[in-house]
Amino acid sequence: DAKTTQPPSMDCAEGRAANLPCNHSTISGNEYVYWYRQIHSQGPQYIIHGLKNNETNEMASLIITEDRKSSTLILPHATLRDTAVYYCIVRSFGNEKLTFGTGTRLTIIP
Amino acid sequence: ETGVTQSPTHLIKTRGQQVTLRCSSQSGHNTVSWYQQALGQGPQFIFQYYREEENGRGNFPPRFSGLQFPNYSSELNVNALELDDSALYLCASSFRAIGDTGELFFGEGSRLTVL
Repeated sequence: DAKTTQPPSMDCAEGRAANLPCNHSTISGNEYVYWYRQIHSQGPQYIIHGLKNNETNEMASLIITEDRKSSTLILPHATLRDTAVYYCIVRSFGNEKLTFGTGTRLTIIP
Repeated sequence: ETGVTQSPTHLIKTRGQQVTLRCSSQSGHNTVSWYQQALGQGPQFIFQYYREEENGRGNFPPRFSGLQFPNYSSELNVNALELDDSALYLCASSFRAIGDTGELFFGEGSRLTVL
C-alpha cells in the first residue's frame, strides 16, 4: 500500500471547518483513500473513503485531487467531540489490511 | 457503538505468561482482524481471519496466534509475553463480499500491561 504523509497536529476553532490534508503521492490506480479517527482510549472509527471522486457523508467530506496524489478531509462544523487523532490510509481493493501511520492530532479549541 | 465487543478491557500479566483476548464481531460480519497499538503509535496489523482461517498476517512472530469460531467471534493468543507486548489490542470486524472487505468496525480494545 502507498505511504501517506500527514501533519502531526492541527488546531481548529469550534464551529469552523476543519481541513485535514494528506499526501499520498505514490498511490496507484486501484487504491482507495480511507479516513479513520481515534478518540482518546477508544477504537478507531471509520469516517469516509473514496477512489477518485469527491465524497460526502453525514460526518465529513473527502476531496481528492485530480491526480490523486493528495486529499483533504473536511469536517464542516467542528465540535469539541471532534478532537481526535485522524488517520489517512491508502488501501488497495481486496487488501484487508489497514496500514496506519501516526496520523494528525486535531484539537478543537472552544 | 460499533457492535464489536472485546474482553477483558484491561489486564496485567508478567513476562513469560500467556494471554487470551476475546472479540465478538458485529452481527453479520464474517471477517475479523487484530491490531496492536503501542502508546503514541498507530495500530499495527497482526492478522486477519476469514471463514475460520488466517487470511493475512503482519510482521508478528508465531507466538501471536488466533482463532475464529463458526459464530465469527475470535481469540488472540500471545505466548511467552515480553515487556514490549504491552499495548492496546484492537479487534475489527468487517463483511467480506465479492473481492473486497468494506469498512472495518473496531472494538474499544483490550489494554495489556506486561510487567
